[in-house]
Amino acid sequence: DAGVIQSPRHEVTEMGQEVTLRCKPISGHNSLFWYRQTMMRGLELLIYFNNNVPIDDSGMPEDRFSAKMPNASFSTLKIQPSEPRDSAVYFCASTPNRHGYTFGSGTRLTVV
Amino acid sequence: RKEVEQDPGPFNVPEGATVAFNCTYSNSASQSFFWYRQDCRKEPKLLMSVYSSGNEDGRFTAQLNRASQYISLLIRDSKLSDSATYLCVVNSGGGYQKVTFGTGTKLQVIP
Repeated sequence: DAGVIQSPRHEVTEMGQEVTLRCKPISGHNSLFWYRQTMMRGLELLIYFNNNVPIDDSGMPEDRFSAKMPNASFSTLKIQPSEPRDSAVYFCASTPNRHGYTFGSGTRLTVV
Repeated sequence: RKEVEQDPGPFNVPEGATVAFNCTYSNSASQSFFWYRQDCRKEPKLLMSVYSSGNEDGRFTAQLNRASQYISLLIRDSKLSDSATYLCVVNSGGGYQKVTFGTGTKLQVIP
């Protein structure tokens, strides 16, 4: 299995631009999570999908952030417009049973 | 009080030493517990689950103290390759099965 696949690995963008992060979970894993990690705040859960349905998006910082999961094998996290304070590493993780997550390699986002 | 709290460290220990980390959690109804390891600029990876009776995996021992609401990770005979950040993870259960990550404890094993 290729694991959780995220793209791009690195993204540098200018403030105000739209950013789209992509994730392909492990086949058969029915739960998918988007996390953001910074030095100051650690790992923060942004949104959680179960069977492609958003269950909890209370961690999404504001309306500039949106996430979709159109099917079991693909999810996107979009930031529009992006701001410098959005700079962080964004991880996608999936699990079949909530007893152990597999994380993707992350997308390192820099907004200048 | 934070849901999951860890000493950020860093813990600097010589090779061969034994080191222990604690992690406290605030929700007494929490159901399951884990330790993850995160190397610099890498993703977190599951190290081990923590069972009520305590469990061991080679040089690593995890324990749970429900009365005092903390979990611990003990590493014996530290290796240079153990240098990483160790994240405590708590599943608070319920219909949503909310999982919360601690901010991690950094370990540096010194030659």
